[in-house]
Amino acid sequence: QSALTQPASVSGSPGQSITISCTGTSSDVGGYNYVSWYQQHPGKAPKLMIYDVSNRPSGVSNRFSGSKSGNTASLTISGLQAEDEADYYCSSYTSSSYGVFGGGTKLTVL
Amino acid sequence: EVQLVESGGVVVQPGGSLRLSCAASGFTFDDYTMHWVRQAPGKGLEWVSLISWDGGSTYYADSVKGRFTISRDNSKNSLYLQMNSLRTEDTALYYCAKEYCSGGSCSDGPTFDYWGQGTLVTVSS
Repeated sequence: QSALTQPASVSGSPGQSITISCTGTSSDVGGYNYVSWYQQHPGKAPKLMIYDVSNRPSGVSNRFSGSKSGNTASLTISGLQAEDEADYYCSSYTSSSYGVFGGGTKLTVL
Repeated sequence: EVQLVESGGVVVQPGGSLRLSCAASGFTFDDYTMHWVRQAPGKGLEWVSLISWDGGSTYYADSVKGRFTISRDNSKNSLYLQMNSLRTEDTALYYCAKEYCSGGSCSDGPTFDYWGQGTLVTVSS
């Protein structure tokens, strides 16, 4: 099972909005509404930010939002803050085995 | 407070075996599907395996199928991963993770709300 495709890096200035894409196939992202997004700071365990494409767990800021179009899911972070600087991973259910992650995107807040 | 504490990671030679454990507390362990997820040094996340609440269903990533076995002991609130025929590419930090459920409903996808701190497995001669 190939990993989902994410850009290696994105950057933005405080207060701006950024979007991270996650591209798969009809066997994963495109075929199911089971896309999640995780934030991981260095040396820490991942934190769930979005599940089932666009839902936020309790306690996650509403600056984080998710969407999907075809085989591509997206995570948008609005009003960028310094503490948003981290690695972000998408994941999806896949019909071939169960779960697949993206390669990760490093977000730099300038 | 939910806690997941992994143990068992060591340095092992290629072809060797290892058993990882994850001790869970702070929630009703046998209500939830549990997972193992790994992360090679400096690399991304990789889903490894899941086991249903009662142990009746298990799934594996293609990369570990036939070599790894997931199990659980609900009487001990513990999750395990038996790793055989280890390869250098299995070197990683192994996390146990709890499935996310809200309002009595659980996502059918790889959605995890609690993770342990991880245990490091190094496969090297």
